[in-house]
Amino acid sequence: KAGVTQTPRYLIKTRGQQVTLSCSPISGHRSVSWYQQTPGQGLQFLFEYFSETQRNKGNFPGRFSGRQFSNSRSEMNVSTLELGDSALYLCASSLFQGSSTGELFFGEGSRLTVL
Amino acid sequence: DQQVKQNSPSLSVQEGRISILNCDYTNSMFDYFLWYKKYPAEGPTFLISISSIKDKNEDGRFTVFLNKSAKHLSLHIVPSQPGDSAVYFCAATASFSNYQLIWGAGTKLIIKP
Repeated sequence: KAGVTQTPRYLIKTRGQQVTLSCSPISGHRSVSWYQQTPGQGLQFLFEYFSETQRNKGNFPGRFSGRQFSNSRSEMNVSTLELGDSALYLCASSLFQGSSTGELFFGEGSRLTVL
Repeated sequence: DQQVKQNSPSLSVQEGRISILNCDYTNSMFDYFLWYKKYPAEGPTFLISISSIKDKNEDGRFTVFLNKSAKHLSLHIVPSQPGDSAVYFCAATASFSNYQLIWGAGTKLIIKP
């Protein structure tokens, strides 16, 4: 079955702009989580959506937002981009909310560069 | 404050030898631990996991050991192969984190031919 698909794979923006990233989970998966990865850092949890509702949120400013559609596809938006937002943004899907058994399936990520 | 720590940013091992990747954690309430492997330009992929009620889990060439008293876990890869060269992330989960994974910073493993 198809894996997690993220678009776009690469994008370049300038400070102050906003960006929207998209994630299509594995068919049948209802949970979508978003992570930010920067060099030398582990994956920092942004938020999780399950059944179109945000279930968990990490410690990121309100400029970072997301949503989930009825088909489980998810988007995340970053407004008023800052240089420090340059990162790899990873989307992960799972069958269930949270990750009590831990296994998440990741997409290849969207590499955002802010100039 | 990092709750999951991987103190070695990188590790170089000869092909055929054992690779040992280490991970320390601070919260004894973690009840499940996982290792993920990440190649460049790809998302992480699940490798192996262990419940806090166990001290060892084995899957082929990969074995994870958990030492709860030391709050330490390790991933052993035997024998190491060139395709094992990747970044390895340790992660932990528990009810206090709403079962969200808390990740270490990763260790880059380089397998030398």
